[in-house]
Amino acid sequence: SQQGEEDPQALSIQEGENATMNCSYKTSINNLQWYRQNSGRGLVHLILIRSNEREKHSGRLRVTLDTSKKSSSLLITASRAADTASYFCATDTIQGAQKLVFGQGTRLTINP
Amino acid sequence: DTAVSQTPKYLVTQMGNDKSIKCEQNLGHDTMYWYKQDSKKFLKIMFSYNNKELIINETVPNRFSPKSPDKAHLNLHINSLELGDSAVYFCASSQARPTAGELFFGEGSRLTVL
Repeated sequence: SQQGEEDPQALSIQEGENATMNCSYKTSINNLQWYRQNSGRGLVHLILIRSNEREKHSGRLRVTLDTSKKSSSLLITASRAADTASYFCATDTIQGAQKLVFGQGTRLTINP
Repeated sequence: DTAVSQTPKYLVTQMGNDKSIKCEQNLGHDTMYWYKQDSKKFLKIMFSYNNKELIINETVPNRFSPKSPDKAHLNLHINSLELGDSAVYFCASSQARPTAGELFFGEGSRLTVL
């Protein structure tokens, strides 16, 4: 089974609303990262949160990490049509240093 | 300038053929990767090289052979292509450090095996 699993698999909201995506993982990590993938494009790094951090912000993005529950969430506030994409969490596990393991992603659709 | 570039972007070929995908990064990174993304968007690591040295080889059939002529290039050669090899292959790079940092991805190479 995979290290990271995102929830929900698909999310559709209205422009201007907030979008929350969750990621759960199984083994201890050094850090957790979130990536965005627009249709037909490569993945783009959004944010990295280290295992000793609980929350991080970047513009309209807010990421939380709960290592006791082995989970993370990505919040996108005031969503825009351009935020439509797939969002992936990726974990750098302690056993597999320098190897990022990706989940299957959340497909986010922002309706105008 | 594109940071991580891979060619070709699209590749359509017959079963049994041999094909290669090339990747180059101009970021000065030490580590390069190949990932495979299947039709369900699941992204799985295949190989990782650090300064031309293979450091990760994830139970990939030996029909897949990566080659790194220098730390800025990581090519992927696939022999005897099978239908199940159809996927999007992504090259990525990162700066080597004790833990995995940010990955920079190429735009992907979509391989279709008929």
